[in-house]
Amino acid sequence: AQKVTQAQTEISVVEKEDVTLDCVYETRDTTYYLFWYKQPPSGELVFLIRRNSFDEQNEISGRYSWNFQKSTSSFNFTITASQVVDSAVYFCALSGPYNTDKLIFGTGTRLQVFP
Amino acid sequence: EAGVAQSPRYKIIEKRQSVAFWCNPISGHATLYWYQQILGQGPKLLIQFQNNGVVDDSQLPKDRFSAERLKGVDSTLKIQPAKLEDSAVYLCASSLGVALETQYFGPGTRLLVL
Repeated sequence: AQKVTQAQTEISVVEKEDVTLDCVYETRDTTYYLFWYKQPPSGELVFLIRRNSFDEQNEISGRYSWNFQKSTSSFNFTITASQVVDSAVYFCALSGPYNTDKLIFGTGTRLQVFP
Repeated sequence: EAGVAQSPRYKIIEKRQSVAFWCNPISGHATLYWYQQILGQGPKLLIQFQNNGVVDDSQLPKDRFSAERLKGVDSTLKIQPAKLEDSAVYLCASSLGVALETQYFGPGTRLLVL
């Protein structure tokens, strides 16, 4: 069965600190996709990144970076120099290779960035 | 490009009443999803449509929930009768649907059942 674990329920940091959100997944598929979504207080889930299981290169997008390690089944997300606007709930999600596969979400990590 | 639209944004009803939610996906997106997100949890898929056909409704409580996507565009999700445990945010998402595509989410409808 597929499962996503986000062990950190809530993280609080002060602005400009770096913060890493952990994501550990379980799957029997050899091909799969991993996602991160941001859910600000407005409620809408905002897509951040999609990564397939064959691409283990780390990715950087501005202040965001992602570390995918198949050996530890982890797909961690780091925000560098955090800002108040980064305050949100962040969800990691996993899907199989087919369009009919469900998107399985973790329970989310609430990030609070204080000025 | 317009995003996924949902209405209403908020709804308060009493238990045993009926409620309906509406979703308009991104133009050209063939696949539409309804999710239920209970407070403190990640979204859970209720039903997935490919055009106007149901792909997966295994987690839809069919005794009280129903959904349709006539003409393969807009969709409605109905709860009849509502229970207290149905209090949640109902999210609609859409994707191109050609292959495994990224899902884009609407703002959700926050339902409170009293």
